[in-house]
Amino acid sequence: SAVISQKPSRDICQRGTSLTIQCQVDSQVTMMFWYRQQPGQSLTLIATANQGSEATYESGFVIDKFPISRPNLTFSTLTVSNMSPEDSSIYLCSVATVNSNQPQHFGDGTRLSIL
Amino acid sequence: RKEVEQDPGPFNVPEGATVAFNCTYSNSASQSFFWYRQDCRKEPKLLMSVYSSGNEDGRFTAQLNRASQYISLLIRDSKLSDSATYLCVVNSGKTSYDKVIFGPGTSLSVIP
Repeated sequence: SAVISQKPSRDICQRGTSLTIQCQVDSQVTMMFWYRQQPGQSLTLIATANQGSEATYESGFVIDKFPISRPNLTFSTLTVSNMSPEDSSIYLCSVATVNSNQPQHFGDGTRLSIL
Repeated sequence: RKEVEQDPGPFNVPEGATVAFNCTYSNSASQSFFWYRQDCRKEPKLLMSVYSSGNEDGRFTAQLNRASQYISLLIRDSKLSDSATYLCVVNSGKTSYDKVIFGPGTSLSVIP
């Protein structure tokens, strides 16, 4: 299966700032997803990152707050904008490949704390 | 009703015990089902896919009941290393790479 690298692995940020999280895959994948896992909660899908077009956001998530880029089949970024303490969470990138019949698998996540 | 629901837990069991987790899903069109395991402060990792005929992988057995929209995971001869949160995951579409919905998870602690 693909090897997924997320950077940074953790960060502590001031409120009002923005942070961009990178997800790099060692092989071309069709689908890339961004999830959030708040403390004590399960995973919630933020958006599907589409190569060469705008991401598809889930209900409750908007592009202005979570802009996403996916310039090619191996790389995506998620920006958490104008952060507040409520954005403290783990952010996870996952990948899947069309026709592989394999479920999604995950990067090791970015632990974000907002002061 | 939530799309995927799981036993609330936590489950605290002695080593060697057998433990079963239950999961129900609301979308009857769901096609693919999985159990993921998440260790504390780690990313989720696929434990096993769940097939219609049921499947077994060592000490782990997964069952699917489409009529009842119910999935189960059985762990036999529990080990200390089985302590983790177990996430029931249901595919919302028709392909394995469609959007998936995560259940809230069930926490398992295996006690010496």
